Amino acid sequence: SYELIQPSSVSVSPGQTARITCSGDALTRQYVYWYQQKPGQAPVLVIYKDSERPSGIPERFSGSNSGTTVTLIISGVQAEDEAEYYCQSADSTGTYVVFGGGTKLTVL
Amino acid sequence: EVQLVESGGGVVRPGGSLRLSCVASGFTFDDYGMSWVRQVPGKGPEWVSGINWNGGSTGFADSVKGRFTVSRDNAKNSLYLQMDSLRVEDTALYHCAREIPVAGIYYFDFWGQGTLVTVSS
Repeated sequence: SYELIQPSSVSVSPGQTARITCSGDALTRQYVYWYQQKPGQAPVLVIYKDSERPSGIPERFSGSNSGTTVTLIISGVQAEDEAEYYCQSADSTGTYVVFGGGTKLTVL
Repeated sequence: EVQLVESGGGVVRPGGSLRLSCVASGFTFDDYGMSWVRQVPGKGPEWVSGINWNGGSTGFADSVKGRFTVSRDNAKNSLYLQMDSLRVEDTALYHCAREIPVAGIYYFDFWGQGTLVTVSS
């Protein structure tokens, strides 16, 4: 079955830039979506269609696409950004929704 | 404010059944398709099932096909998931989520907090 691969953890100091990657063969043909989830809370959409930001999401959240790897970029990381981040896309046929395994962002 | 509130989770033995509910508020419910997405602690989410705005089209992950059914009652702003023949591997936190269609698939712009299903003997 199709998989999206994320690093299990990323650590940055406050004010630095965090980059969280998501890799998959079908990402050249499918959009990627990013969700932030804090403990005990529902996931929150932070990026849609690779790089679009929903209303209410801070400008420090952005996304980029480089073929089979997409990247969630958090510029000027703040302590409140510490969370689990999941990417979501679809398989190559566009039939099934697929999620990555998640990346734990730690703000040192 | 969009709100999705799930209920109906609990502890059930393998082979048993549960019915989950999700009540929506803050938006026009029958303008949207809805999905159920589950999470096992320490793992990424897994899409389980979806239903279009009027209930005329449904979809299921292969892992639950033939065991789960999904329905909705637009008059009650409610989404349901009937889970039969439950297995230990169905243990998870079940979220309902609002679908946004893009190029044939969906993403989820609002999620509920979830209801916990535990399948154990």
